[in-house]
Amino acid sequence: GENVEQHPSTLSVQEGDSAVIKCTYSDSASNYFPWYKQELGKGPQLIIDIRSNVGEKKDQRIAVTLNKTAKHFSLHITETQPEDSAVYFCAATSGTYKYIFGTGTRLKVLA
Amino acid sequence: SAVISQKPSRDICQRGTSLTIQCQVDSQVTMMFWYRQQPGQSLTLIATANQGSEATYESGFVIDKFPISRPNLTFSTLTVSNMSPEDSSIYLCSVSYSGANVLTFGAGSRLTVL
Repeated sequence: GENVEQHPSTLSVQEGDSAVIKCTYSDSASNYFPWYKQELGKGPQLIIDIRSNVGEKKDQRIAVTLNKTAKHFSLHITETQPEDSAVYFCAATSGTYKYIFGTGTRLKVLA
Repeated sequence: SAVISQKPSRDICQRGTSLTIQCQVDSQVTMMFWYRQQPGQSLTLIATANQGSEATYESGFVIDKFPISRPNLTFSTLTVSNMSPEDSSIYLCSVSYSGANVLTFGAGSRLTVL
């Protein structure tokens, strides 16, 4: 069945450095790729998303890139801050309600 | 985007009992979903809550264990029945609007079964 692999499972960076989280999807029909941030005790919050007709999208310190040929998409966070510490989930969907979520990346930004 | 309220936010329950989780949305939404997030794990879709009809369950989840109601376009409940420690999880309500496959999540209900 469809699946989404996410790496790394944990990531520690120094404050101010960049962080990159990568996901690979299996369903070639996938056309929408959101990223969620989940802080302790809270539900996942959408932080950025990308559709299959776009290769890159940026929103301030956050960017997402998509390589449809390789079925890869990545989250890039620049100038990391302690408040970026959270668990990040990628997901893929083929335009239906059914999301396939990655296994999550616990990001720690060290002050 | 929608504001989703879930109740309870957390609970500790005894084995064999049942608990009902409520999800209230501040606007009418097309689709409502229930997800489970086991400790340290990813999100797994339990079912789609259909307004006025039976929920649509994903593989591995059954109505007897997770009965769901959705009486209108802003409210749904999920019951976790005959609980065991393996049911200890965060249960998340999520919604999306017609024509937009963007999911918004509630804060979740953290359930611990002793």
